[in-house]
Amino acid sequence: DTEVTQTPKHLVMGMTNKKSLKCEQHMGHRAMYWYKQKAKKPPELMFVYSYEKLSINESVPSRFSPECPNSSLLNLHLHALQPEDSALYLCASSRTANTGELFFGEGSRLTVL
Amino acid sequence: AQTVTQSQPEMSVQEAETVTLSCTYDTSESDYYLFWYKQPPSRQMILVIRQEAYKQQNATENRFSVNFQKAAKSFSLKISDSQLGDAAMYFCAYRRANAGNNRKLIWGLGTSLAVNP
Repeated sequence: DTEVTQTPKHLVMGMTNKKSLKCEQHMGHRAMYWYKQKAKKPPELMFVYSYEKLSINESVPSRFSPECPNSSLLNLHLHALQPEDSALYLCASSRTANTGELFFGEGSRLTVL
Repeated sequence: AQTVTQSQPEMSVQEAETVTLSCTYDTSESDYYLFWYKQPPSRQMILVIRQEAYKQQNATENRFSVNFQKAAKSFSLKISDSQLGDAAMYFCAYRRANAGNNRKLIWGLGTSLAVNP
């Protein structure tokens, strides 16, 4: 059973589209993360939110825009993506940003045409 | 900079047998955490086991145990009585204990484990 829920599970978009990925957790965690994962590779950290504030941006292109409306929700807004952005996008949460134990969602598989 | 190395890109094991996945890391820190994560095909990433560097006792979780050798900077995962559901990509990961703003997990490249019936 997953306690981190991501929607949609699959998304196909054109390079001119605007779309959003959503993530929700109800474990009371105060840190939330976005990762990008290519096939058979480890996840690559994109963003970290701690207490609803952006604390880490791993030099991610501005076509990816994160948002944390409250402590349970995390969004990733997508605009003008490139085909190389096609990947599995994983959301994760942890009790705090200083607790290394991450709980992951099942991911949103993004295809950019 | 810290690094994590998994030297076995692929491994296989017979059902009910035991397999050991290797992981080495490099760090100058004395206090840190080590993790093994499992990612089955098209399934979510889950934490298998966690080890605090200050604990000498090796962590165990049911059929999963680690051999933590701090001086050698080695952190291997042993899976006993392998089951078909153990087939997955296994990632070893490292994190500093007092990370401050450096909260990143450092990941190995993964080991793809196949379980043969």
